[in-house]
Amino acid sequence: DQQVKQNSPSLSVQEGRISILNCDYTNSMFDYFLWYKKYPAEGPTFLISISSIKDKNEDGRFTVFLNKSAKHLSLHIVPSQPGDSAVYFCAASANDMRFGAGTRLTVKP
Amino acid sequence: DSGVTQTPKHLITATGQRVTLRCSPRSGDLSVYWYQQSLDQGLQFLIQYYNGEERAKGNILERFSAQQFPDLHSELNLSSLELGDSALYFCASSVEGGAWNNSPLHFGNGTRLTVT
Repeated sequence: DQQVKQNSPSLSVQEGRISILNCDYTNSMFDYFLWYKKYPAEGPTFLISISSIKDKNEDGRFTVFLNKSAKHLSLHIVPSQPGDSAVYFCAASANDMRFGAGTRLTVKP
Repeated sequence: DSGVTQTPKHLITATGQRVTLRCSPRSGDLSVYWYQQSLDQGLQFLIQYYNGEERAKGNILERFSAQQFPDLHSELNLSSLELGDSALYFCASSVEGGAWNNSPLHFGNGTRLTVT
């Protein structure tokens, strides 16, 4: 039962350009959405979140957009840096927290 | 450093065996969560404990069990191990127990279990 889906297993962008990571969900009860970043041999770390009452949240180079009608959220990273290369997980919470399968972002110098 | 400690880092065992994974949450956090990540899979929620009580249950097999002790550390017990149980097992903690929307999870670095 994949309630949170990240359909792109990988994404490659050039340094300085925009990275856009996408996430879709099916459960309309989700009311809070988060993005986590994971480096190899480490646990995921919290990056940014958004409540269902908002459609945008920005934190420095990172912006999360939420489209509730489409049950879709996205993470924009501008400008992308090589240090952003990692696996990004989308998560959504209601009674518990569900994660997507992750998207591996590679930022090329 | 998230403040969440998981031991051991690596575990290799044979099919049919039983293992125990340990997690110490971040200081002050009352909730502990267990997740399983199989190869190229997302994080699958297993179970959550809040202040010693089971709070939520996900896709946890009957062969698996967990508990949270009075000092708030948690253990995940995996028994009758099968090859398919090989995975990364993550523990996470948060301050809140039910208010997920105010508490991002803080993850440990995981225990890599290999069943041969």
